[in-house]
Amino acid sequence: DAGVTQSPTHLIKTRGQQVTLRCSPKSGHDTVSWYQQALGQGPQFIFQYYEEEERQRGNFPDRFSGHQFPNYSSELNVNALLLGDSALYLCASSPHRIDGYTFGSGTRLTVV
Amino acid sequence: GESVGLHLPTLSVQEGDNSIINCAYSNSASDYFIWYKQESGKGPQFIIDIRSNMDKRQGQRVTVLLNKTVKHLSLQIAATQPGDSAVYFCAENYVQTGANNLFFGTGTRLTVIP
Repeated sequence: DAGVTQSPTHLIKTRGQQVTLRCSPKSGHDTVSWYQQALGQGPQFIFQYYEEEERQRGNFPDRFSGHQFPNYSSELNVNALLLGDSALYLCASSPHRIDGYTFGSGTRLTVV
Repeated sequence: GESVGLHLPTLSVQEGDNSIINCAYSNSASDYFIWYKQESGKGPQFIIDIRSNMDKRQGQRVTVLLNKTVKHLSLQIAATQPGDSAVYFCAENYVQTGANNLFFGTGTRLTVIP
């Protein structure tokens, strides 16, 4: 049974560009959350999607947006990249209203 | 939201010894707590969880203790092995407006000395 899969694994972008990260949830999971993990820090909640809608959002600017598709997969988009957006972006999935997540291995984004 | 913090950023233990990793939380509304292990280049891996109506829960070689009075959480690892070397995070979970999300602390790096 595949867990949470994320693509790409690594990505290098130039400041000001836009990036799209992708996530496929674990089989049977319909809720997807995205987290940003800066080096040496704990993950920080970006937002959560369920039924193709953003249900909860953390303290991140509107440059961060997302989408969930009918098959529960999700995308994270970041516009106008800043150097400070360099981080590991983690996708986590869960059944709706069930505590606890399964995390993917993340996408390492480097902004230069 | 309120954040979860950890007492110690690093911990070194001898192989075979027991490890104790501590965590303080500040949100009294949190009702579910999780310990995650994160190895280099990987996402957080679930270790054990505990609900606020419990004060102790045991798994395979791991035990989580919850002291709601002082808002303290600990993870005990018995007979620590080299494969236990990783960064450990505690996270708290509370439901907001029908959704839920996790609040993580900074993490503790556990190094097991052979």
